[in-house]
Amino acid sequence: DGGITQSPKYLFRKEGQNVTLSCEQNLNHDAMYWYRQDPGQGLRLIYYSQIVNDFQKGDIAEGYSVSREKKESFPLTVTSAQKNPTAFYLCASSSTELGSYNSPLHFGNGTRLTVT
Amino acid sequence: GNSVTQMEGPVTLSEEAFLTINCTYTATGYPSLFWYVQYPGEGLQLLLKATKADDKGSNKGFEATYRKETTSFHLEKGSVQVSDSAVYFCALMDSNYQLIWGAGTKLIIKP
Repeated sequence: DGGITQSPKYLFRKEGQNVTLSCEQNLNHDAMYWYRQDPGQGLRLIYYSQIVNDFQKGDIAEGYSVSREKKESFPLTVTSAQKNPTAFYLCASSSTELGSYNSPLHFGNGTRLTVT
Repeated sequence: GNSVTQMEGPVTLSEEAFLTINCTYTATGYPSLFWYVQYPGEGLQLLLKATKADDKGSNKGFEATYRKETTSFHLEKGSVQVSDSAVYFCALMDSNYQLIWGAGTKLIIKP
C-alpha cells in the first residue's frame, strides 16, 4: 500500500545538536510538507516543496532546513538555532497535478522530538 | 488573509450523543474545505471534504455542508462512539495549494 513513512517515531537529542527527521513517500506525489504541532495548537507549516530540488519556507522556517533531492524523500533538519525544538513533527504529501486542486494531504504518523 | 476558526475544546459527550463542531472561515474566492481527524499518537487523516457551495461531505457517519452564505463548514454526527475520541481539524485549501488550518478541537466521548 502507498503511504508516507516517518522515522523514527520518537527521537531524543541534547541541546545544541542538529537532528534530521526522515520522511519517505511512495504515493508519487509531487508536493511534500513539514508541519510542527505543539500541544493544543493547530499545525504550523515549516517548509514545503512542490517539485524536486525546490522548496519554500513556510510560516516558521527559522532554525530548520530541508532538502528535496528525490521525489520520494523530504528530510527535515532541526538545527541548534531552533530555540524550542521539542514538538511533534508531521510530514505530508499531495498531488499537484492539474485537476487535483482539491487533493487532500496524506500524512505520516509523525516524529516526536524531545530536546533536553 | 485566509483563516479558519474552530470552536475551542475539549468537547466532552456521552456515547450516542449528537455532535456538532463549529468551523467558520474567511477566504477570497471559493476554497475547498476539509475536516481531518487525528487519533492519539498518529498523523492526520482526511475525514471528509467539500469543494463548492452547498456540497455535503460525508464519511463514517460524519457530515459537513459547505455554507457559503455563513462561511461555515460545521462537522456533525448523529450518534458518537467512544472510538470517535480524537482531535478534529477544519481546514481550507487556497489557490496556491496551501492548507490553512484551524487550531483543532479535541473530542472526548465517555461510555
